[in-house]
Amino acid sequence: SQTIHQWPATLVQPVGSPLSLECTVEGTSNPNLYWYRQAAGRGLQLLFYSVGIGQISSEVPQNLSASRPQDRQFILSSKKLLLSDSGFYLCAWEGEETQYFGPGTRLLVL
Amino acid sequence: AQSVAQPEDQVNVAEGNPLTVKCTYSVSGNPYLFWYVQYPNRGLQFLLKYITGDNLVKGSYGFEAEFNKSQTSFHLKKPSALVSDSALYFCAVRVLPTGTASKLTFGTGTRLQVTL
Repeated sequence: SQTIHQWPATLVQPVGSPLSLECTVEGTSNPNLYWYRQAAGRGLQLLFYSVGIGQISSEVPQNLSASRPQDRQFILSSKKLLLSDSGFYLCAWEGEETQYFGPGTRLLVL
Repeated sequence: AQSVAQPEDQVNVAEGNPLTVKCTYSVSGNPYLFWYVQYPNRGLQFLLKYITGDNLVKGSYGFEAEFNKSQTSFHLKKPSALVSDSALYFCAVRVLPTGTASKLTFGTGTRLQVTL
């Protein structure tokens, strides 16, 4: 069966520091992958999606970037974090026309 | 543009009573509709989806949803609520695919509170 992992689970970072969040999927090949941010415990905003290695589409211009160095690995990065980057970051993979979400990473920027 | 509305910020129901969480949508073409549940500090869990076929869709944990094309609604229902159903529920609509990826537009979420 398919499994999706995210790490770290929680992260506290100072403003201006770099960021790297990782998402990996097991049990499937060449999935579509997605990064979302959930602010204030409610609305979800699609940040990036990828249909294959090295293929990244950005939904919202911002301080973040994404990469897909391997088939089942999706990385969210920033060179310099802003206070507004705080939130709950969710990775998802798509199978059978349905998106399945990982456990999330809670990021607090101070 | 596609959109989803969840008109209730919170729904309160007593354990054992039926529950309904409302969702309406606006899309161009035939909608793909989804319900997800989120427990505190956790990711979203898929409950059920409507793509085509029967208007009544059955999903996980005893939940079901009814697709109503004329009312553009996709309400989530359960005949008998449990305290453990207390969580945040999201309705989502799938945007027409771009390339081979699809994008979900989510509602703002409805908090379900089930009390004894």
